[in-house]
Amino acid sequence: QVQLQESGPGLVKPSETLSLTCTVSGDSISRSNYYSAWIRQPPGKGLEWIGSIYYSGNIYFNPSLKSRVTISVDTSKNQLSLTLTSVTAADTAVYFCARYASGKNWFDPWGQGTLVTVSS
Amino acid sequence: DTQMTQSPSSVSASVGDIVNITCRASQGISRWLAWYQQKPGSAPKLLIYSASTLQSGVPSRFSGSGSGTDFTLTISSLQPEDFATYYCQQANSFPFTFGPGTKVDFK
Repeated sequence: QVQLQESGPGLVKPSETLSLTCTVSGDSISRSNYYSAWIRQPPGKGLEWIGSIYYSGNIYFNPSLKSRVTISVDTSKNQLSLTLTSVTAADTAVYFCARYASGKNWFDPWGQGTLVTVSS
Repeated sequence: DTQMTQSPSSVSASVGDIVNITCRASQGISRWLAWYQQKPGSAPKLLIYSASTLQSGVPSRFSGSGSGTDFTLTISSLQPEDFATYYCQQANSFPFTFGPGTKVDFK
């Protein structure tokens, strides 16, 4: 059974950089034909796809965030990472990681999510 | 980008009721649509993919239909554990986008 677990600081100051990690267990993060993704959800609001990284290393971003987002994979630790620069209060959200197979662009499984608050 | 809308935004229902939730895409997405259920404090759970295929382990009272731009999620006999928020997601092209959600609560 594949499980994902997000981790990182729960509080980030405005204008600083948000950094999160997602640890995958039960499968290789570099499994062929699979994507790993980040999705976020501001409190009380809907879901926003941030970006996906393919096992080959190709990365796809939401254009609304592309200039501030970095997504990478550490295969030695079986981890997915997200960095978001120049954060504002609008970046306050629960951040989820998720996986999906190529050609099956629906997210399953998901991590439990981690709340990141942007505040001074 | 493909914009997703859902209606209604909320619905009040009772146990045993039939609930229909509609999702509309701003452009045709064939059957590249998924439905998720989310309960407070939890991650979304995949219910249906490819517009009408039930994810393993999901009760058969959930069903999906539609193609192109118009889709429907139906709960045939609402159970207490079904009170939640439901989201559709277009899986046709980047950037993937979600509907704003439909909250199903107690009447």
